This record gives sequence, structure tokens and C-alpha cells, in this order.
Amino acid sequence: DIRMTQSPSSLSASLGDRVTVTCRASQSISSSLNWYQQKPGKAPKLLIFASSALHSGVPSRFSGSGSGTDFTLTISSLQLEDFATYYCQQSYNTPWTFGQGTKVEI
Amino acid sequence: EVHLVESGGDFIQPGGSLRLSCAASGFTFSSFNMNWVRQSPGKGLEWISYISTSTSTGYYADSVKGRFTISRDNAKNLLYLQINSLRAEDTAVYYCARDHLGGVFDFRGQGTLVTVSS
Repeated sequence: DIRMTQSPSSLSASLGDRVTVTCRASQSISSSLNWYQQKPGKAPKLLIFASSALHSGVPSRFSGSGSGTDFTLTISSLQLEDFATYYCQQSYNTPWTFGQGTKVEI
Repeated sequence: EVHLVESGGDFIQPGGSLRLSCAASGFTFSSFNMNWVRQSPGKGLEWISYISTSTSTGYYADSVKGRFTISRDNAKNLLYLQINSLRAEDTAVYYCARDHLGGVFDFRGQGTLVTVSS
């Protein structure tokens, strides 16, 4: 199975900050990397697929990059509604696997 | 608007069985491959099963293979997950999700909680 490792596990940031979350795959996954946002008690929400493609309705302050084994999610200017946990997930091979999550706190 | 409503979760003893359902609305259900994904405090998010539009092909994570069965009724816009031989480690919130481009999950429901305990 492909293991996905996120860093950091949590971070503290302020409104307006630029925030970066990193995800590393245990083997090359081309650009088959997706990002989700989850708030407490809610289902995850798809933000970015195929490393850098913004899902419909997702604000443009979210962006993704990377290929191979190293990927990045960037929030250009943190808004109040962005405080949540973010997960990466590979869709290169089954079983499709997730990272352990990065909690973005105030 | 796309909606997925999961149901069927319960408190159940080890070794028991449950059938989870996912009711779809707001889109052409028969045109989408579907998935079940679960989330537990100990193991985080875990993909567990996928079914194609035709209903004939299902894929499973090793952790549930042989115990879980995915199925769908396109006429009723329903997705199912039959879960047997439940174990404590199956305790989780179970989500159904539309499949977007193969292994990309579009979650639109609230999940259903399965608790396995004696």
C-alpha cells in the first residue's frame, strides 16, 4: 500500500497568513494527489484533485502543486472559515490511501 | 443540488451484521461509480469499497475483504454496504462518496455511525 505522510500534524496561524501543508507519498504517484478539508462533525470536502485542479466552488485562495512523491497545499490568505483539518489522498493505486491530517488552528 | 444520505448505522456486538444504505439525489446516480469511506479515531480516513456504474464490479480494502459487500440499486438511487462479522476495529463513521475521475471522493452526506462493542 502507498503510505501518505503529512507535515506538520498541526499548525497555528492567523487570519490573512499564507499557510502551506506538505504531503509525501511512499512511492511515486504521478499527479494523482487530492486534498480535502474537514470541519468537526462534518464529512470531508474535496478541494483539489490531480495535484492542482480546483474542485468546483472552491475559492481561488486554495492551490496545490507537486508531482511524483512531494506535494503542497497552499492557502494564500487564511480566512476564518479555513480553520479545519486538511487531508491528502492518493488515487494512483488501490487501496486509495489518506494522510493522517493537518489541523489548522487559530 | 447533490445529496447523499447515509443510514443504517447502529450499536452492535462483535460478530454481528448490518446493512448500510446511501440514498442519492440531485444527480444521475446510475452514471457515477460510488465508494464507501470510513473514519475512525484510531485509523483516520480509510477507503473501504468501490462499485462501478454497472453494479457488477466491486473492489475492497484488504481490511474488509470477505466480510463487506457493496451493491447498488440504480432504479432506486440507492447504494448499500452489507457488513458482516463485525469487529471492534470496524467502529467508525461510514460515508458514501461519488467517485470523481477514479479514486477522487466527492462527499455529500453526513455519514452514519457504526459502533461495535460488547
